[in-house]
Amino acid sequence: KNQVEQSPQSLIILEGKNCTLQCNYTVSPFSNLRWYKQDTGRGPVSLTIMTFSENTKSNGRYTATLDADTKQSSLHITASQLSDSASYICVVSGRGSYIPTFGRGTSLIVHP
Amino acid sequence: GAGVSQTPSNKVTEKGKYVELRCDPISGHTALYWYRQSLGQGPEFLIYFQGTGAADDSGLPNDRFFAVRPEGSVSTLKIQRTERGDSAVYLCASSLSAGENEQFFGPGTRLTVL
Repeated sequence: KNQVEQSPQSLIILEGKNCTLQCNYTVSPFSNLRWYKQDTGRGPVSLTIMTFSENTKSNGRYTATLDADTKQSSLHITASQLSDSASYICVVSGRGSYIPTFGRGTSLIVHP
Repeated sequence: GAGVSQTPSNKVTEKGKYVELRCDPISGHTALYWYRQSLGQGPEFLIYFQGTGAADDSGLPNDRFFAVRPEGSVSTLKIQRTERGDSAVYLCASSLSAGENEQFFGPGTRLTVL
């Protein structure tokens, strides 16, 4: 069964600090992995997408990494801001599949 | 251009009632997905459409749930004889076509069954 596991479940950091969120998956064969940001009361918004051949991709202060061999991804947030407070969801699509597999998300709270 | 819109944003109903939730996808997107999200959880797949037809409805929890997309654009998720356990946020997403393309999500409808 395809699974996506995220850790930690929740995280509290101070404004300006960095943090790293983890995602492990079992989806196979693999097509791509996306990180979504979901603000409270809103729908998820895509931050990055990574395919099999990519191992790092940045979007502003967000940097995602992918190790397709160990089936792990991370999302690193640099110099956190209050607006980074949200849930971050890891989503993995399998090759030939029309239904992606979602993780439960990591809830990030950034305190001033 | 406009994103995915969902109406109503909030719906409060009594146990046993019938509800309809509406999704307007991005124009030109042929694939449309419905998800259910409980507090602290990721979205849970319900059903997806490619065009007008339901290509996969394996995520619908039981026969009280039904969805239509008669003209290949707007979709309606219908829930009969609502139960308290149906309370959740119902998210709709659309993409250019089904498969590995990025899904664009609406803001969701928060359903509360009293």
